[in-house]
Amino acid sequence: GAVVSQHPSWVICKSGTSVKIECRSLDFQATTMFWYRQFPKQSLMLMATSNEGSKATYEQGVEKDKFLINHASLTLSTLTVTSAHPEDSSFYICRQDRGETQYFGPGTRLLVL
Amino acid sequence: GESVGLHLPTLSVQEGDNSIINCAYSNSASDYFIWYKQESGKGPQFIIDIRSNMDKRQGQRVTVLLNKTVKHLSLQIAATQPGDSAVYFCAESPLNSYKLIFGSGTRLLVRP
Repeated sequence: GAVVSQHPSWVICKSGTSVKIECRSLDFQATTMFWYRQFPKQSLMLMATSNEGSKATYEQGVEKDKFLINHASLTLSTLTVTSAHPEDSSFYICRQDRGETQYFGPGTRLLVL
Repeated sequence: GESVGLHLPTLSVQEGDNSIINCAYSNSASDYFIWYKQESGKGPQFIIDIRSNMDKRQGQRVTVLLNKTVKHLSLQIAATQPGDSAVYFCAESPLNSYKLIFGSGTRLLVRP
């Protein structure tokens, strides 16, 4: 069964609004979660590393003020796309590691109109 | 920075044939490599992995080959089935890092 869930699975929003995406760890406490973005027909790009109880680490070129990450508990990390624009439309995927195995969430499809 | 693919190459194979998907990785310091399968609208699904101290690893119907000399990774799928149709990504992880750097991906189409 699934070990990582995401909510919502898809979302449509108007330009300028903010969207929150949740990544939940099921039956496991994850101190670290990773957020990826995937544009159509492209590969996964790591956006940031989310650490429970501390600030997220962002990859080069990813705006930390635009993509707010909160990892307030060991089972939940959230990614908020603030003031979303059409170019933010993408597939957002979280990842959690358990031991040496990586588990990806099912993804959240964001469409900004 | 992270590797990003711009277009997905496509491999078309006949059902029952063997498939070979190739990947060139970028970092000679990477010591862990993974193949993922991604179906449309879903997250990546782990297929098989290999560490740099090995050059071959076999799973059920899948084999991964690693050539560190030329920084090349391949995934072989035996007796390809329609359910194998998906996009396949290789990923590399540098030594002592949790980061996964994804390759550009290959779309596998299985003809019935």
